Amino acid sequence: DSGVTQTPKHLITATGQRVTLRCSPRSGDLSVYWYQQSLDQGLQFLIQYYNGEERAKGNILERFSAQQFPDLHSELNLSSLELGDSALYFCASSVGGSRDKGYGYTFGSGTRLTVV
Amino acid sequence: EDKVVQSPLSLVVHEGDTVTLNCSYEVTNFRSLLWYKQEKKAPTFLFMLTSSGIEKKSGRLSSILDKKELFSILNITATQTGDSAIYLCAGPQGGSEKLVFGKGTKLTVNP
Repeated sequence: DSGVTQTPKHLITATGQRVTLRCSPRSGDLSVYWYQQSLDQGLQFLIQYYNGEERAKGNILERFSAQQFPDLHSELNLSSLELGDSALYFCASSVGGSRDKGYGYTFGSGTRLTVV
Repeated sequence: EDKVVQSPLSLVVHEGDTVTLNCSYEVTNFRSLLWYKQEKKAPTFLFMLTSSGIEKKSGRLSSILDKKELFSILNITATQTGDSAIYLCAGPQGGSEKLVFGKGTKLTVNP
C-alpha cells in the first residue's frame, strides 16, 4: 500500500456520461497530480493541485475538471465521455511546494476507465 | 518543451541476461532524473539522480546519469522473470513540480 488511495479501481460507463474519480493523498503530502495513461501515449500529465489551489495544468480537455478539497483529497471529473477517454487514470502525491526536494511522486493504484 | 525519450520501447531477454535501458532528457533547467518500475498498476520509485548523485545502485539494478549529455542508463544484471515490467524515466519540467515521463521500455524476461 503506497498510502495514496484511489477509488474506484474499475469503472465502466457509456459514452456521453459523466464520472468522478477520487484520490486521497499520502499523509503529509500537499500536492496531488492527475495523470492519464493510455497504451500509445504513456503517462500524460493532466493537472496538479497544491494545498487546495490549482498549481499546474497539462493537456487537460475542457470536458475534464478537478478540484482539491480542504481535507486535501482530490476529485477528477470527466464529462461527455468518449470512447477515446478509456484509459488508466493515476493520482500521485508529493510534499510539494518549496519543501519538495524533487524526490518524485507516490502513485495510487489507478482507476481503469472503460467507456463503451 | 521538456522531453523525455526512452529506448528501446520493448525488449525481450532470457533469465540471467543483463539489460541496459536508455533515457535522454531534454530540459531547460536540470534538477533531477527519476526511474520508476511499473508492473501491473502503479509506478513505483526506483532511483533519483541529481547533479550530486549521478550513480545509484540497489541490488541488481543500477543507474548512471551523464549530466552533461542529460542521458541516463538503467542496468539490470542477472535478470529474473520478476523484472518483467515497464520501466519509466521522468524528470521535473522546468521550474515546476510536475514530472514529464517517457513512454517507457517494456521489458519481458523469459524463463
